Amino acid sequence: DAGITQSPRHKVTETGTPVTLRCHQTENHRYMYWYRQDPGHGLRLIHYSYGVKDTDKGEVSDGYSVSRSKTEDFLLTLESATSSQTSVYFCAISADRGYGYTFGSGTRLTVV
Amino acid sequence: DQQVKQNSPSLSVQEGRISILNCDYTNSMFDYFLWYKKYPAEGPTFLISISSIKDKNEDGRFTVFLNKSAKHLSLHIVPSQPGDSAVYFCAASARDSSYKLIFGSGTRLLVRP
Repeated sequence: DAGITQSPRHKVTETGTPVTLRCHQTENHRYMYWYRQDPGHGLRLIHYSYGVKDTDKGEVSDGYSVSRSKTEDFLLTLESATSSQTSVYFCAISADRGYGYTFGSGTRLTVV
Repeated sequence: DQQVKQNSPSLSVQEGRISILNCDYTNSMFDYFLWYKKYPAEGPTFLISISSIKDKNEDGRFTVFLNKSAKHLSLHIVPSQPGDSAVYFCAASARDSSYKLIFGSGTRLLVRP
């Protein structure tokens, strides 16, 4: 395994509640990404980070925020979960731009 | 608007035959292309990549072809094996977008024994 862990693996939450997903890496890679996977859409980038405290938005960032206070941890927060955020969330890491990503095993989030 | 398109949601192939998965892109600035394979309940795993300076890259049973003029790439798997049954994602990146990977919607490959 490439040393990337996502937690929790599964979560069910109620509409309107805040949710935080965690991505932890042991590879000391600079770049970290959050994607969501939905049928018919493939993988869509939510937010990414290019260093500690350096983050930027992806193509579907509305309703999500991120934080990276340490190289190894990248947190994704849904401030007020909605049913449209029911999805499988994947974290990925990369040593440098232009390299392929290594993905975590995913977090299945259900918002009821 | 999708910049990377996989127009075939699924493909079924007999074991031992060739599987051809296709991908089209619209952004002419893409200069690096990758294929990922995904099994259920697992994260995608890197399979093979190709730079825009090449038109072919081969790794064992897997070959990726790039046709820049047509903005098209394909993944060939020869011979196909039942263990190849998975969802395959095409992805692309460009220097002007900080090399973020843009993924297609995926093609589910079923290799029949």
